[in-house]
Amino acid sequence: DAGVIQSPRHEVTEMGQEVTLRCKPISGHDYLFWYRQTMMRGLELLIYFNNNVPIDDSGMPEDRFSAKMPNASFSTLKIQPSEPRDSAVYFCASSFPGDEQFFGPGTRLTVL
Amino acid sequence: AQSVSQHNHHVILSEAASLELGCNYSYGGTVNLFWYVQYPGQHLQLLLKYFSGDPLVKGIKGFEAEFIKSKFSFNLRKPSVQWSDTAEYFCAVRGPGTDKLIFGTGTRLQVFP
Repeated sequence: DAGVIQSPRHEVTEMGQEVTLRCKPISGHDYLFWYRQTMMRGLELLIYFNNNVPIDDSGMPEDRFSAKMPNASFSTLKIQPSEPRDSAVYFCASSFPGDEQFFGPGTRLTVL
Repeated sequence: AQSVSQHNHHVILSEAASLELGCNYSYGGTVNLFWYVQYPGQHLQLLLKYFSGDPLVKGIKGFEAEFIKSKFSFNLRKPSVQWSDTAEYFCAVRGPGTDKLIFGTGTRLQVFP
């Protein structure tokens, strides 16, 4: 299996622009998680899905952030408009119910 | 609030030294416990996990961890570290009735030859 796939790996954008991050979970995994990692705040869970349905989005910072999972093999995290404080590494992870989470390589986002 | 504490933020060791990283959690009830490692510039990878059974868990690359329920602890150990163990180590807990992992703030380990 290719593991969790994320794209792009690096994104540099200007403040105010829309950013879309993409994730393909491991085939067969029911759960998909989006995390953000920064030096200041560490690893934070933003939102997670079970069978494509959002279960807990309490970690989403504000309305500028949205996430979707239109099918079992694809999810997006969108930031609109982006701000410099959104600069971080965004990880996607997937898992079977009650099991370990497998992480993707991450997207390093820089907002100028 | 439920939390995970990693007391050591930065550890510096010489090769062949022994390692112990602390992890404490504040959940009651049955928990699942994990240690993940993040090598520089890479994603998180699972080192080991505890769900039930023998509280001494063996993981990859010579790591082990011991679950002590009475102390709410899950400390990570390795008898002899190598330069290649330089990385950040995260403890994580999944509490009862939830699918979420709560991560500690991480411990940065630097091993010098």
